[in-house]
Amino acid sequence: AQSVSQHNHHVILSEAASLELGCNYSYGGTVNLFWYVQYPGQHLQLLLKYFSGDPLVKGIKGFEAEFIKSKFSFNLRKPSVQWSDTAEYFCAVNNPNQAGTALIFGKGTTLSVSS
Amino acid sequence: DAGVTQSPTHLIKTRGQQVTLRCSPKSGHDTVSWYQQALGQGPQFIFQYYEEEERQRGNFPDRFSGHQFPNYSSELNVNALLLGDSALYLCASSLEAGGQETQYFGPGTRLLVL
Repeated sequence: AQSVSQHNHHVILSEAASLELGCNYSYGGTVNLFWYVQYPGQHLQLLLKYFSGDPLVKGIKGFEAEFIKSKFSFNLRKPSVQWSDTAEYFCAVNNPNQAGTALIFGKGTTLSVSS
Repeated sequence: DAGVTQSPTHLIKTRGQQVTLRCSPKSGHDTVSWYQQALGQGPQFIFQYYEEEERQRGNFPDRFSGHQFPNYSSELNVNALLLGDSALYLCASSLEAGGQETQYFGPGTRLLVL
């Protein structure tokens, strides 16, 4: 069965620091990869996604992620975080070659940014 | 353009009762998925409906059932509620695209079982 690991449970950064959140998945076949964000009091929103093509994908609010197939990884990065980036971040994966597109989520990483 | 909507926002039930949660997908979407998110955890997939049929199911007991209506809206039913069913229930909608679909989430229904 597929699984997703997010290595950092809680990350604390100062404004302007660089961010990298780790995500590894366990499935060896073709995958779609996603990062979702949940700001305090808001619902899950899509940050970025990878289906195929260029392994470096750019999302909203200056976030990007790199798919490294050999490492089964899809790490999220941002060069300079802002206080407003404080949120819960979830990595998710699904298998595009099956009937149904169930997302398998990691446990999430809480990012706290101090001003 | 309305996004995914869910009702009710909060619900309190007692053990053994039954509950029905509702979801209206984003305009133009034909697929609805349901997830359970326990406190401090990532969402866990319950099932997905497409063309009014359950297309995929996660590792949840038969107490969890659903339905999709011709207008693509959906219901999640949970019978014989247990304390452990207390969670945020999320609905996500998408447009069938041969495996390359993006799911958009609603605000969720927070269920508390006493």
